[in-house]
Amino acid sequence: AQSVTQLGSHVSVSEGALVLLRCNYSSSVPPYLFWYVQYPNQGLQLLLKYTSAATLVKGINDFEAEFKKSETSFHLTKPSAHMSDAAEYFCAVSDRGFGNEKLTFGTGTRLTIIP
Amino acid sequence: EAGVAQSPRYKIIEKRQSVAFWCNPISGHATLYWYQQILGQGPKLLIQFQNNGVVDDSQLPKDRFSAERLKGVDSTLKIQPAKLEDSAVYLCASSLGAVNTGELFFGEGSRLTVL
Repeated sequence: AQSVTQLGSHVSVSEGALVLLRCNYSSSVPPYLFWYVQYPNQGLQLLLKYTSAATLVKGINDFEAEFKKSETSFHLTKPSAHMSDAAEYFCAVSDRGFGNEKLTFGTGTRLTIIP
Repeated sequence: EAGVAQSPRYKIIEKRQSVAFWCNPISGHATLYWYQQILGQGPKLLIQFQNNGVVDDSQLPKDRFSAERLKGVDSTLKIQPAKLEDSAVYLCASSLGAVNTGELFFGEGSRLTVL
């Protein structure tokens, strides 16, 4: 069964600093990997996804993530944090069954931006 | 394009009472999911529908939870009788069901508090 582990339940960075949120995956087959963001009292919104094309994936709001098979990692980065980035971030892995995709989520990382 | 609609947004009940949540997915989305998100945790899949058939309900506590998706469009999730540990946000999501997307579209969730 696939799973993801997010290292660090809380991360704080200063406005303008680099954002790095860590995610490691476990999968018996080549995975599809996702990062979702959840703002307070809202549902989850897709930031970016890796589906076995380019290993460096760019998403919305200048976020990007790099798939590293040798490290089984899919860390999320952003060069310069903005106050509006404060939210909960979830890494997820997909069960790539035909027409049967479903996501298994990590426990989440709460990102706080310090003014 | 309208997003995934859920109601009610908030519900407070006493233990052993019953509650029902409703979800209307994005038009044309064949696959519908119900996730449970307990405070401080990532979303956990309860049930997945493909059109009006159940694909996966392995993590649904069937002694108290039930869900249906009549006519393959909107869906209802019911809890009867509720327990304290059912306090959570219940997220509905939908997807096209195509193999290579893996992107789920989430509603804003229904927050349940069981006293």
